[in-house]
Amino acid sequence: DAGVIQSPRHEVTEMGQEVTLRCKPISGHNSLFWYRQTMMRGLELLIYFNNNVPIDDSGMPEDRFSAKMPNASFSTLKIQPSEPRDSAVYFCASSSGEGEPQHFGDGTRLSIL
Amino acid sequence: SQQGEEDPQALSIQEGENATMNCSYKTSINNLQWYRQNSGRGLVHLILIRSNEREKHSGRLRVTLDTSKKSSSLLITASRAADTASYFCATDVVGDSSYKLIFGSGTRLLVRP
Repeated sequence: DAGVIQSPRHEVTEMGQEVTLRCKPISGHNSLFWYRQTMMRGLELLIYFNNNVPIDDSGMPEDRFSAKMPNASFSTLKIQPSEPRDSAVYFCASSSGEGEPQHFGDGTRLSIL
Repeated sequence: SQQGEEDPQALSIQEGENATMNCSYKTSINNLQWYRQNSGRGLVHLILIRSNEREKHSGRLRVTLDTSKKSSSLLITASRAADTASYFCATDVVGDSSYKLIFGSGTRLLVRP
């Protein structure tokens, strides 16, 4: 079975550029999560969706961050404009229900120069 | 704010030995989960224990939960070099959505061959 698929795996770009991260959840899962992982702050929940609807975006750090889920099989996390402090590994995860295990992709390692 | 804190931060053992990691959390929970993360990869769900359970087993894994002490432990028996990874506990918070998990800072386990 295909797991959560994220692209790209690595992204290096210059400060001020727009960055778009992509995620395909596991088929049949109705919840999708975006996390950010850094050495300083650990793993932080940015936003999650239920049935394609954003439920809680309280973890999104700034207005420069936005996330969409146009359908059940695709989500994007966009940073515009990007800044060096946005450098981190961004993970997407999906689950089949509340309180159920979350399945993670292998992440996008983002470096903003 | 961090809900879960793992202890120790790092653990080095010989192959064949048992590894014990602890997690403490601050507020009442519905369930607690343990995840493993190999270097450069996403998190993999290991085991979920609900607040009304005290102990759970899965293969070489044994998890205990003490809600009175707000703590959990993960025991890996007969460790193997392939168990080398970071291990995280994750909790929800009673009164908040169980979709939202708060991850601890992790224990880095090194199993020496």
